[in-house]
Amino acid sequence: DSGVTQTPKHLITATGQRVTLRCSPRSGDLSVYWYQQSLDQGLQFLIQYYNGEERAKGNILERFSAQQFPDLHSELNLSSLELGDSALYFCASTQGVTNTEAFFGQGTRLTVV
Amino acid sequence: KNEVEQSPQNLTAQEGEFITINCSYSVGISALHWLQQHPGGGIVSLFMLSSGKKKHGRLIATINIQEKHSSLHITASHPRDSAVYICAVRDYGQNFVFGPGTRLSVLP
Repeated sequence: DSGVTQTPKHLITATGQRVTLRCSPRSGDLSVYWYQQSLDQGLQFLIQYYNGEERAKGNILERFSAQQFPDLHSELNLSSLELGDSALYFCASTQGVTNTEAFFGQGTRLTVV
Repeated sequence: KNEVEQSPQNLTAQEGEFITINCSYSVGISALHWLQQHPGGGIVSLFMLSSGKKKHGRLIATINIQEKHSSLHITASHPRDSAVYICAVRDYGQNFVFGPGTRLSVLP
């Protein structure tokens, strides 16, 4: 058990809908990262938050947004969903910003139908 | 050219064999991570390296910063080692860049 909790584990929704994925980092970790893993793309970095502030942005679509709350949990919001958004969404947490071990959640499998 | 490359893409080994997975990268990095993704999808962080060598049980990871290359070795491989092994680097902007993964199957 990595200590990182993601909910829900599975999500099936229709095109055009909006969903929220939740990540609770490991106790004491201040940084949260979100990743997308689709069948044909491998793991892609989406966005990083550190202590409530956006720290780095990767290949995140404008339809997607995220935030980190004062209790350090994070939410990834996906809107106007398309079939191509079907993927595994992972979050990971690290204690600091640089050169610290990353711990991954079990992922949320999103299926858009 | 991808920033992080891995070889081989796929690897089948017999139980007990010594296995090496290679990772090469083209960007400046602050750290390199080896990850293991199980068939169910869960990801486990195996190592984080910024220099030298680390060992956990039957797993050994090395990195050569000058050559921009890292290797993951598995000694006395076992079927439970079957997974996808992913090399990930953190660039100086603290972004993670992932390799394509190496799919390992260890046969009994």
